[in-house]
This record gives sequence, structure tokens and C-alpha cells, in this order.
Amino acid sequence: GDSVTQMEGPVTLSEEAFLTINCTYTATGYPSLFWYVQYPGEGLQLLLKATKADDKGSNKGFEATYRKETTSFHLEKGSVQVSDSAVYFCAPRERYSTLTFGKGTMLLVSP
Amino acid sequence: NAGVTQTPKFQVLKTGQSMTLQCAQDMNHNSMYWYRQDPGMGLRLIYYSASEGTTDKGEVPNGYNVSRLNKREFSLRLESAAPSQTSVYFCASSEAQWQDLEAFFGQGTRLTVV
Repeated sequence: GDSVTQMEGPVTLSEEAFLTINCTYTATGYPSLFWYVQYPGEGLQLLLKATKADDKGSNKGFEATYRKETTSFHLEKGSVQVSDSAVYFCAPRERYSTLTFGKGTMLLVSP
Repeated sequence: NAGVTQTPKFQVLKTGQSMTLQCAQDMNHNSMYWYRQDPGMGLRLIYYSASEGTTDKGEVPNGYNVSRLNKREFSLRLESAAPSQTSVYFCASSEAQWQDLEAFFGQGTRLTVV
């Protein structure tokens, strides 16, 4: 089955710093790739997605590029804000299957 | 825009008690899911229902049962709660069981078993 490896957290940054959260996956097929975000006390919500190789998903200043050759989908943001403090989950989804979540990476941004 | 609604939001049970977590979605989605979230473990799939009338086990089904009551509702039942079932439970739905479709999540139920 699928598995997902995300970098361990927490990641602590100062406001306006550059963010990278690494995600690699294994899959038997050719999955779609998602990043979800969970703000404190809330459920998960979709941040961005990419459905084929070299696609770039983007939303709220976050970006991630589907790299089939390295089976990676790293999340980046050029300048983080305090309001970006949350837990981020990488999740591949194969055809006719369910989402498989990584363990999550907590991001803490200080002013 | 209600989306996915879970009840209750919080619950404390004694070991051996039973309870049902309720989930309803108003997006006319075909597929629904139950996950549990534990520290350091991410989200793990308990059960899912790809379409009305079907249910299937996920990664961690032991100790749970589910019912897809109709297209809108998908409940999760703990017949005899154990401390190991202390967790945050999330219900989710998606339009169908297709890979490029996102899932929408409820706000979660925080369950403590003492």
C-alpha cells in the first residue's frame, strides 16, 4: 500500500522566513497528491493539490510541485505569517482509493 | 454552508460503555470516511463507505462498527469502549472514490475513555 514520509516537526520559524516541508511517498500507481492543513481545534481542510507529474499546486502563497521522478511533493512558502501556524499533512490518493496521510508536520511561526 | 457535521464534539466514556458518533454531510457526496487522529500517528482510516449501501474496513477497524444510514449519514459505533480508543475522530466525505477529488472534513469529536 501507499506510505508517506514527512519531515518531523515542529518546524519553528520567524515571520517572513522561507518554509519548506518535505514529503515523499511510495505508491503502486500514479496518485494524485494533496496537502491538507489543520488549524488548532479544527478539522483538516484542503490547502492545495496536483494530479499529474510536473503540476504545481498553489494556494494562499503555498506551492508544491508533483515530482514523479523523486516521488516527492514538497510544500514551500516564500514568507510565512503567524497565521500559518498549523499542522500540515501530505496525502497521496491512488485511483479508486482513499487518502493516505503522513504523520503531519507542525509549523510554529513567531512574530 | 454546513458541509460535514459531527456530533458530539466532546465525549467522556467509561471503559466498557458504548456510544455512536454521528456524521452527516449536505454536499450530496457519495463517499464517506471515518479517521482517528492520535499524536505522532497522523490520521488513520477506520472505515469508509465508497457509496450508499457499501462499507469497507480501513487500516484500524478493530473495536468499531459503522452504518451508512443513507446517502447523507455515516455513523461510527464503539460497542465496548477501551482506553486505547481515546482519540480525536474525524468524519470526511468526497464526491466519489476518485483519486483527484478532495475530501471535506468535519470538526472532529474528541473522545476520552477512562
